[in-house]
Amino acid sequence: AQKITQTQPGMFVQEKEAVTLDCTYDTSDPSYGLFWYKQPSSGEMIFLIYQGSYDQQNATEGRYSLNFQKARKSANLVISASQLGDSAMYFCAMRESSGAGSYQLTFGKGTKLSVIP
Amino acid sequence: DGGITQSPKYLFRKEGQNVTLSCEQNLNHDAMYWYRQDPGQGLRLIYYSQIVNDFQKGDIAEGYSVSREKKESFPLTVTSAQKNPTAFYLCASSIRARETGELFFGEGSRLTVL
Repeated sequence: AQKITQTQPGMFVQEKEAVTLDCTYDTSDPSYGLFWYKQPSSGEMIFLIYQGSYDQQNATEGRYSLNFQKARKSANLVISASQLGDSAMYFCAMRESSGAGSYQLTFGKGTKLSVIP
Repeated sequence: DGGITQSPKYLFRKEGQNVTLSCEQNLNHDAMYWYRQDPGQGLRLIYYSQIVNDFQKGDIAEGYSVSREKKESFPLTVTSAQKNPTAFYLCASSIRARETGELFFGEGSRLTVL
């Protein structure tokens, strides 16, 4: 079973609108961390936001927020006021706290976001 | 500027040849990682290292080898045993291997086998 599922291969959003990128995860570990990365066409991976499993509040970083619904095992990324520079691949990832998973991030397959002027 | 430097950015290889991808970091991070990315796929872990002179296999280590002789350096060799080596390779580092801190990535190396 996949540990990280991103069901939207591609998304379009109008400039200045908000967009939500979906991510669901699967783990039996009570302690884990969830990450979102952005990958522009140049290839580098840019860290956006982090949510710990015990964090009470949803993480926010500027225009990025993470809608964390623990019972549903979802960690959706919300980008407010989209900009043309937001066009990129977006990856959700998880690190578990025990076993082999504690030494790596497990990535989803990504969502390609295109911002339309 | 602190960061991770990967070289070369683009590399072409003939079948049957070994090739080594370089990864250097000046962030003073203990842990380093190599990931492989194929089109339409997420990143998959090849090898990781928590300390100098120690490294562990990730999910897809077959056909690859690494060394960690210095804290700053974690080169990856793609051997002729790797059946489908054409891919985008990303090196990353983190302060510790088992923390919730994020990974810092290099800009990647794109390997094409002719």
